[in-house]
Amino acid sequence: EPEVTQTPSHQVTQMGQEVILRCVPISNHLYFYWYRQILGQKVEFLVSFYNNEISEKSEIFDDQFSVERPDGSNFTLKIRSTKLEDSAMYFCASSEGTGGWNTEAFFGQGTRLTVV
Amino acid sequence: GESVGLHLPTLSVQEGDNSIINCAYSNSASDYFIWYKQESGKGPQFIIDIRSNMDKRQGQRVTVLLNKTVKHLSLQIAATQPGDSAVYFCAEKSAAGNKLTFGGGTRVLVKP
Repeated sequence: EPEVTQTPSHQVTQMGQEVILRCVPISNHLYFYWYRQILGQKVEFLVSFYNNEISEKSEIFDDQFSVERPDGSNFTLKIRSTKLEDSAMYFCASSEGTGGWNTEAFFGQGTRLTVV
Repeated sequence: GESVGLHLPTLSVQEGDNSIINCAYSNSASDYFIWYKQESGKGPQFIIDIRSNMDKRQGQRVTVLLNKTVKHLSLQIAATQPGDSAVYFCAEKSAAGNKLTFGGGTRVLVKP
């Protein structure tokens, strides 16, 4: 069964450092997303990406964040200067479409980011 | 503003009994709703979805009910099994966008 894969599973970084979280969405999907989940809290939307551009972003997704699809398979989230409060589980997701019954978003296993 | 919330943070259920997890939403523009299951250390896993033009949808051992009048969504799990122990999130999406807004989660604990 096709799945969304994320690397690394766990990333520890020092405050102020840049991190890049990587994702390989399901191959025939067109919409890509990043969500995050701070420990013990609900899943929060960060950004959606379609046709090589951001289609929607939340207030969390400030200038420190950026996304990129550098090739035909990878989708990355970059945090330029990490802060302690960026510590969270980051989930990548993808969907075939956004209308009809193919709206279903499939999530990866997540990358646990720990900023120290 | 938009919000999706859950009534019960923890639900303990005897193995074999039915479980009902509830969710309230406030965005009347929401047209698509999903239930996700999240096991410890894993990402949300799709369970079942429903569109706003329906009030009930059934899957394997799961049923989702939607009451648009009171903006209420529920997930029923029949014959709950130990493998059903997890945190369950409802999520909603409006026709205006493609982001999912998640509720706070309900932890289901299945007692043997």
